[in-house]
Amino acid sequence: GAGVSQSPRYKVAKRGQDVALRCDPISGHVSLFWYQQALGQGPEFLTYFQNEAQLDKSGLPSDRFFAERPEGSVSTLKIQRTQQEDSAVYLCASSLFRATGVTYEQYFGPGTRLTVT
Amino acid sequence: GENVEQHPSTLSVQEGDSAVIKCTYSDSASNYFPWYKQELGKGPQLIIDIRSNVGEKKDQRIAVTLNKTAKHFSLHITETQPEDSAVYFCAASTNTGNQFYFGTGTSLTVIP
Repeated sequence: GAGVSQSPRYKVAKRGQDVALRCDPISGHVSLFWYQQALGQGPEFLTYFQNEAQLDKSGLPSDRFFAERPEGSVSTLKIQRTQQEDSAVYLCASSLFRATGVTYEQYFGPGTRLTVT
Repeated sequence: GENVEQHPSTLSVQEGDSAVIKCTYSDSASNYFPWYKQELGKGPQLIIDIRSNVGEKKDQRIAVTLNKTAKHFSLHITETQPEDSAVYFCAASTNTGNQFYFGTGTSLTVIP
């Protein structure tokens, strides 16, 4: 079946511009995660949704970062007033379900490479 | 929070040889340990995982071992092939947290 898809794949923004990154999770996956991956580093957690509820946003680096998943499917990560330090690959992952006592596999999309000039 | 360390950062092996990548973690509550392969320009791909109730898991040429006492786990790739060349990430998670904590990655090059 179809995997996680993300768009755009590449985004160049001038410093100060707002950007919106889209994630389409695997159909039926309840949980959705956003990660930020700096060059040469492992992914770092940004935020987590279960259906439409944002249950954890502890990894968002500043109040310029905002994520939503209004209908419990597609999610958008928005970055306002972009700064050079926001340049990174933004990865989306989805998971079948999260139940107490069980961690489910996370499947990643190809990522959006954001370059802020 | 959890801290995952991964070694080595780069690894070169001859085709057909074995490759071993090691990770350590700090949070004794971590109980799920996935390994991901990331090729250039692509997202991480889950290749194998292990839960804390087992010590070893194999899938064809890939195996993962877990030592909960020492808080370390390792990825073993046997009979390496050029297409195994990629960056490999280990990760750790608890069943009460919502995120995976990733290592810094190992760039594996298999020399034909």
